[in-house]
Amino acid sequence: SQELEQSPQSLIVQEGKNLTINCTSSKTLYGLYWYKQKYGEGLIFLMMLQKGGEEKSHEKITAKLDEKKQQSSLHITASQPSHAGIYLCGADSGSGGGADGLTFGKGTHLIIQP
Amino acid sequence: DTEVTQTPKHLVMGMTNKKSLKCEQHMGHRAMYWYKQKAKKPPELMFVYSYEKLSINESVPSRFSPECPNSSLLNLHLHALQPEDSALYLCASSPRVGVDSYEQYFGPGTRLTVT
Repeated sequence: SQELEQSPQSLIVQEGKNLTINCTSSKTLYGLYWYKQKYGEGLIFLMMLQKGGEEKSHEKITAKLDEKKQQSSLHITASQPSHAGIYLCGADSGSGGGADGLTFGKGTHLIIQP
Repeated sequence: DTEVTQTPKHLVMGMTNKKSLKCEQHMGHRAMYWYKQKAKKPPELMFVYSYEKLSINESVPSRFSPECPNSSLLNLHLHALQPEDSALYLCASSPRVGVDSYEQYFGPGTRLTVT
């Protein structure tokens, strides 16, 4: 089965600083998803990456997919308190298309210090 | 609108009770999912429905019984649960299943406590 390893497990960043979260897959990535979760709440969809070299941005968050390395990174620029939460990377469990659901990494707990 | 709704928000039930969780989406999505999330763990897939048909059952015990009455609704019927089944139950939907990947949108979850 596919495994996703996220690093770091937790991150404390001063407000205004940049940060990067990484996600590495044990298998070929067909679709890579980034979500944010507040404790005990649902997952908020951030971005989906499908193709090698793909890069997407939304507001101050940028995600990249390195298909060859089977890795994705999530970069936050000029962090704000609203960025605090748990960031989860997920991948299509099978050969893509969502038919097999998503497998998730263990998450990165981000704390923003004022 | 990318909203998936789930009811109830919280549920406390005894081991002999029968209850149901409900999930609804009006985005025209044709794939719906149930995930289970234990505290401080990532979500784990339970079931996948594709075009209202059960396509994936991740070896989930029979005390969990999913149902998809129509393309907008997904239920999870619960019976004779164990305390270890206490968790956050998340529903998700995506436009379709196929060769390409599609965004999965999650609901806020139902916090289930089994006493």
